[in-house]
Amino acid sequence: QSVLTQPPSVSGAPGQRVTISCTDSSSNIGAGYDVHWYQQLPGTAPKLLIFGNTNRPSGVPDRFSGSKSGTSASLAITGLQAEDEAVYYCQSYDNLLSGSRVFGGGTKLTVL
Amino acid sequence: QVHLVQSGAEVKKPGASVKISCKASEYTFTNYYIHWVRQAPGHGLEWMGIINPTGGSTTYAQKFQGRVTMTRDTSTSTVYMEVSSLRSEDTAIFYCARDSRGFLDSWGQGTLVTVSS
Repeated sequence: QSVLTQPPSVSGAPGQRVTISCTDSSSNIGAGYDVHWYQQLPGTAPKLLIFGNTNRPSGVPDRFSGSKSGTSASLAITGLQAEDEAVYYCQSYDNLLSGSRVFGGGTKLTVL
Repeated sequence: QVHLVQSGAEVKKPGASVKISCKASEYTFTNYYIHWVRQAPGHGLEWMGIINPTGGSTTYAQKFQGRVTMTRDTSTSTVYMEVSSLRSEDTAIFYCARDSRGFLDSWGQGTLVTVSS
C-alpha cells in the first residue's frame, strides 16, 4: 500500500497561520492524482475540508486552503481559532491497487 | 442532506465475526460508491475498501482481503461490512463514507467494535 506522510503535530497561536504537509512516497500525488483533506474534531467522524487539491465544500471557511505541487500537497489554515484544534488527514488515490484510496497518518493541530 | 446511519456498537470475542450496517438516505443510493474506513483507538484513518452499490463489485485493501466482505441491499439502501476472525487489534471505530469523484464527502457516525475475551 502507498504511503502519504504527514507531520505528527503542528501548533500555532490564535490568529497565526499554520501549514500541514502531505508527502507522497509512491508517486500517487506526483502522478497527478488529486489530494483531499479531512478534519476530525475530538470524538467525531471526519469531515471533508478540501477536495480536488484546492476546493472547499460549502460551509468551510476560506481560512482553510489547499495546494499541491509535485509530489506533495499542503493544507494552510490562517487566522487560527481555538475550534480549529483537531486532527487533519490528507487522502489520495492509491495507484498500487486499482480503485483503492490511501490516507496520510494524520496531523494533530494544537492551538496554543 | 445526505445521511449515512450506522448500526450500533458491538462487543465480540476473538475469532468471531461482526457485521455492521450503513443505511443511506436523501440521495440516489446506486449513484455513489461507499467506502469503509477503520480507526483504532488513538490512531489514524485506515482505508478498508469500497463497494459499488449498483452491481455490488468491491475492492478491498490488501491488508483486509480474505477477512472483510462488503455487500449491499438496494431495496433498503443499505451497505454492510462483515469482518471475520476478529482479533484484539480489530477493536476500532468503523466508518462508512460516500464517495464523490474520489473523495469521501459524507460520513456515517461510526460504529465501535470491541474485541475482547
